[in-house]
Amino acid sequence: AQSVAQPEDQVNVAEGNPLTVKCTYSVSGNPYLFWYVQYPNRGLQFLLKYITGDNLVKGSYGFEAEFNKSQTSFHLKKPSALVSDSALYFCAVRGGTDSWGKFQFGAGTQVVVTP
Amino acid sequence: DGGITQSPKYLFRKEGQNVTLSCEQNLNHDAMYWYRQDPGQGLRLIYYSQIVNDFQKGDIAEGYSVSREKKESFPLTVTSAQKNPTAFYLCASSTGQARGYTFGSGTRLTVV
Repeated sequence: AQSVAQPEDQVNVAEGNPLTVKCTYSVSGNPYLFWYVQYPNRGLQFLLKYITGDNLVKGSYGFEAEFNKSQTSFHLKKPSALVSDSALYFCAVRGGTDSWGKFQFGAGTQVVVTP
Repeated sequence: DGGITQSPKYLFRKEGQNVTLSCEQNLNHDAMYWYRQDPGQGLRLIYYSQIVNDFQKGDIAEGYSVSREKKESFPLTVTSAQKNPTAFYLCASSTGQARGYTFGSGTRLTVV
């Protein structure tokens, strides 16, 4: 069975400071890892993904994530946070052996960026 | 532009009523999914479908039903058997294992 853990319900950061949102996973086979962002009363928007290759993945809006196989982690990072980055962030995983491609989502981390 | 359309955006249901949430996509995606979102619980899979006229139960299928008569459409019915239906419902579609989901904008269902 696959699972995802986002250990922080909320992350508070001042504008201009680095932002990190943590994610760890458990999956059979090679993982396909994704980050999504959700604004209030909206669907989820894709930020970035790791399928294979370089462990550092760059995505939309200046976000990046580092795949760490030994620690089974896929933390989301942004060097300098903006107030507009305040939103709910979801980490998701699907296993390489899951041919039906169902995602397992984390519980989400609320990011609050203060001016 | 291609995308997924969910309707209505807001829906109110009286106790004992069935309601149907619409999900339509023009992305030519084979797979479609329904998720339920509750605060602090992330997204939980209700039903999914890989091909027309076939669908599978997800983790919380009780009290819900779906159909997949057309590739573009995957409506979700919330039946009176669902004891706590108030939630935000998200439809998604995908093609290919390495690709992510495209999400609709969601339907917020409230029991009154």
